[in-house]
Amino acid sequence: AQSVAQPEDQVNVAEGNPLTVKCTYSVSGNPYLFWYVQYPNRGLQFLLKYITGDNLVKGSYGFEAEFNKSQTSFHLKKPSALVSDSALYFCAVKPPGGGNKLTFGTGTQLKVEL
Amino acid sequence: DGGITQSPKYLFRKEGQNVTLSCEQNLNHDAMYWYRQDPGQGLRLIYYSQIVNDFQKGDIAEGYSVSREKKESFPLTVTSAQKNPTAFYLCASSSPGQSNTEAFFGQGTRLTVV
Repeated sequence: AQSVAQPEDQVNVAEGNPLTVKCTYSVSGNPYLFWYVQYPNRGLQFLLKYITGDNLVKGSYGFEAEFNKSQTSFHLKKPSALVSDSALYFCAVKPPGGGNKLTFGTGTQLKVEL
Repeated sequence: DGGITQSPKYLFRKEGQNVTLSCEQNLNHDAMYWYRQDPGQGLRLIYYSQIVNDFQKGDIAEGYSVSREKKESFPLTVTSAQKNPTAFYLCASSSPGQSNTEAFFGQGTRLTVV
């Protein structure tokens, strides 16, 4: 069965500093990996995805993520955090080779402070 | 303006009542999903449908029912058998066929049992 782990419930970072939100996964074969962001009382917005190819994926709002197959990780990063980046971030995985069941991690609350 | 519309945004239910949450999409997506979100537990899959007139149970289907009579609509009924229905419910849709496509989410319905 596929699963996703987000080991940190909350990440705090100062504005202007780099940020990392961690994600590890467990799935047979090569996974499809996704990051979503959620603002309070809203739905999820898609940020970026890894399907194949370059391990560094660039997405919306200056976010990027690095796929590391040996460590089964897909950490979300941003070189310079903004206060407006404060939100709840979800990592998700889909099984390779067909099927649309999307499995989410428990989420990481990012707080960017001045 | 394409997207997914969930209604109502807030819903109150008395114990023992069934309630139905609406989800409509005009993205021409075949696949649709219902997730439940609770604090600290991430998103858990209730039901999903890959095509009209077909749907499958997710990880927490007990106490819920769905129908998929039209491509655009995937209503969720929370029955009196669901013992702890207070939660934030999210509907999503995605393109069929290839599982590397991202899902699009509605703005959610917050259900409270009173």
